[in-house]
Amino acid sequence: QKEVEQDPGPLSVPEGAIVSLNCTYSNSAFQYFMWYRQYSRKGPELLMYTYSSGNKEDGRFTAQVDKSSKYISLFIRDSQPSDSATYLCAMSPSGGNTPLVFGKGTRLSVIA
Amino acid sequence: KAGVTQTPRYLIKTRGQQVTLSCSPISGHRSVSWYQQTPGQGLQFLFEYFSETQRNKGNFPGRFSGRQFSNSRSEMNVSTLELGDSALYLCASSSRLTTWEETQYFGPGTRLLVL
Repeated sequence: QKEVEQDPGPLSVPEGAIVSLNCTYSNSAFQYFMWYRQYSRKGPELLMYTYSSGNKEDGRFTAQVDKSSKYISLFIRDSQPSDSATYLCAMSPSGGNTPLVFGKGTRLSVIA
Repeated sequence: KAGVTQTPRYLIKTRGQQVTLSCSPISGHRSVSWYQQTPGQGLQFLFEYFSETQRNKGNFPGRFSGRQFSNSRSEMNVSTLELGDSALYLCASSSRLTTWEETQYFGPGTRLLVL
């Protein structure tokens, strides 16, 4: 079993839909959780980060962490065609720049 | 502030050759990490350098090596290339502040194709 599991998709939604992206993990030592967005032929771009359990909101994006279930989510409200990208979850037991463990990414397409 | 830059952006090599990739971190960032991204395995950590010292190393063979210079620029080297080394190699820099909230910012990557 991989440490971090993420449904690869592809996920296709109409413009304006609410998108839910999820990851599960097995290592209970993970404390820091991140979501990156990667456009084709680009490097990953940090979207959200959270520490331990709870929610964090930034504009149209909301990140949730449920450590008891070892489950994290990213919600995108009012999705736009420009949100079409691969979304990667990442996590680590320590903060800062310690090695990140990534999910394989979910490819999202938002159709106008 | 300029982002992380990586050179070259694309590279084609043949099996058995060696390759050197370069990364310039964000100005002021002293830590550089390298990751390999493939469709099958996703993003996997290679190694991290801070102040010219390797601080962490992932589970890759010794053919993969790196170094960091006094200006924080970093290079990684892959010797005796294999077909399976074809991947996107990503460099990330961070400022390693005392607070956790500084995290890793990625460059555009170097796409390596081994024939």
